[in-house]
Amino acid sequence: NAGVMQNPRHLVRRRGQEARLRCSPMKGHSHVYWYRQLPEEGLKFMVYLQKENIIDESGMPKERFSAEFPKEGPSILRIQQVVRGDSAAYFCASSPRGISTDTQYFGPGTRLTVL
Amino acid sequence: DAKTTQPPSMDCAEGRAANLPCNHSTISGNEYVYWYRQIHSQGPQYIIHGLKNNETNEMASLIITEDRKSSTLILPHATLRDTAVYYCIASEETSGSRLTFGEGTQLTVNP
Repeated sequence: NAGVMQNPRHLVRRRGQEARLRCSPMKGHSHVYWYRQLPEEGLKFMVYLQKENIIDESGMPKERFSAEFPKEGPSILRIQQVVRGDSAAYFCASSPRGISTDTQYFGPGTRLTVL
Repeated sequence: DAKTTQPPSMDCAEGRAANLPCNHSTISGNEYVYWYRQIHSQGPQYIIHGLKNNETNEMASLIITEDRKSSTLILPHATLRDTAVYYCIASEETSGSRLTFGEGTQLTVNP
């Protein structure tokens, strides 16, 4: 049973470009979470999605960031017009349901570097 | 979610038990205690969780005090591969499933 998959594992972008990070949840999981870890800092929640719905986006920056989890295919975290401060590790997690007693399983992360 | 407090770092000798404390004095009755760890910037790994009873699985044991104001994660026979940052998280079912990570404890297992 494959775990949470994220790709790419490493992504380099120049300032002003767009970054697209993909997350495929574990089989049977319909809830996806995105977290960001800035260099030398802790993990911060960004957004929680179910299929075709954003449930909680309270941790998302107000501009340039968006997320989706379509009916078919992986969840996408999109960062438009990237800046150096977006350089971080972005982790995706999935759970079978959307309650906090469900274990969240994390992927290996995407390391974004903005030049 | 209740705030949790952990020591910033701990050391443990290989083969010995590692006991990682966590203080959550403001925890509410329906908040669970979760433990995750992050090995050298990999994705966080779930370890164990509990509400009020002690719990054990193949990775660790979780001891929660009777008043639930603190807990201890026990790795019974620490190995070098257990070197990681360990996070203690208190999470309420109605919080929307968001995990709030604190600073955690850097556990270093020494040979």
